[in-house]
Parts: sequence; structure tokens; C-alpha cells
Amino acid sequence: ETGVTQSPTHLIKTRGQQVTLRCSSQSGHNTVSWYQQALGQGPQFIFQYYREEENGRGNFPPRFSGLQFPNYSSELNVNALELDDSALYLCASSLGLRTSSADTQYFGPGTRLTVL
Amino acid sequence: KNQVEQSPQSLIILEGKNCTLQCNYTVSPFSNLRWYKQDTGRGPVSLTIMTFSENTKSNGRYTATLDADTKQSSLHITASQLSDSASYICVVSGDTDKLIFGTGTRLQVFP
Repeated sequence: ETGVTQSPTHLIKTRGQQVTLRCSSQSGHNTVSWYQQALGQGPQFIFQYYREEENGRGNFPPRFSGLQFPNYSSELNVNALELDDSALYLCASSLGLRTSSADTQYFGPGTRLTVL
Repeated sequence: KNQVEQSPQSLIILEGKNCTLQCNYTVSPFSNLRWYKQDTGRGPVSLTIMTFSENTKSNGRYTATLDADTKQSSLHITASQLSDSASYICVVSGDTDKLIFGTGTRLQVFP
């Protein structure tokens, strides 16, 4: 167990709907990153938050947004869902600010989102 | 373009045998390289992290090597077990906050 939890485990939505995914990081971990992993692919970086502020973003449109809270929890919100948004969404927490440091990232089990 | 390529894409071995997975990267500048194990439908779990100055690191039956000059890494699994069946992902970090993931090698260990 990594100490990082995510909810829900699975979720089914229809195209055009909105979804909120939740992550609870390890206590004391100030950085949380979100990833999208399509079937058979490696995770793709969505964005990163450090102490409640966005600190880096991958090539994802603005309809992907996030929040980080002082209690080490965070959310990933996706608006106007598209079929291609179907994927495993992973959050990962780490101690430091920069993932280019040698800090270990601890991943949650993921949320499997299916968009019909 | 910063890329991480892994080979083979998939691998089948018998329980008890050794195997080696490869990772080539073009990320520059380089900060560190990580190997993760990911069971189907689960989040990745860190196996090793190596910085520029390290050329080998072990974690139990897993040994990772790094050649920063040729930009290659390998993950060697000794005396494989059925529980080693998973995807193994190589991840490289440069001087930004992004981690660049390879697509993984899917390993299946049969009895």
C-alpha cells in the first residue's frame, strides 16, 4: 500500500457530462500530480499541484481542471466529457516541489473512467 | 523531442528464470530515471530511482542499471516469480516537473 487513495474505483459517464475524481495523498506530501493512462499506454501527465497551486501542466485542454486542499486531498474535474477521456486516472503524491528531484512518487490505485 | 522507449513490448518467461528489460531515452537534460511495476488495473509502484551519478541500484530481486552516456537503462529480474507478472514502466525526469513515461513492458511469468 502506498498510502494514497482514490475514489471512486470505477465510474461510467456519458458524453458531455462532467466528472470529479478524488485523491487523498500521504500526510505531509505537498505535491500531487494527476495522470491519464489509456489502455496499453504509459501514464500521461495532466497537471501538478504544490500547496494548493497549479505548478505545471501537460498537453490537456482547459476542461481538465483541478484543486488541491490543505488536508492533502485533491480533485480532478473534467467537463464536457468525450469518448477519448475513457482511461485510468492516477494521482501521485510526493514530498517535494519538483518531480525532477529524486523524491519517490506514490501512486494511488486509480479511477477507471468509462465514457459512453 | 523527449522520449522514453522500452523493449520488448511484451515478454513471457517461465517461473524461476531471469529476464532483462530495456529502456532508451532521449530526455535532456537528465535528472533521474525510475522503474515502476504496475499490476493490471492498479497504480504504479516504485522499484528504483537512479540519479545521474548512479549506475546500478537493487531492490530485492530487481536490479536496475543506468548508462547516462548512452542514455540506456535496464531492469534485471532474478529468479522470477508468478507475482512478477505485471507491466514495468521506465520513467525519466529532466529539469522540469514532468515525468516522461515509457509505454512499458508487459511481463508474464508462467509456472
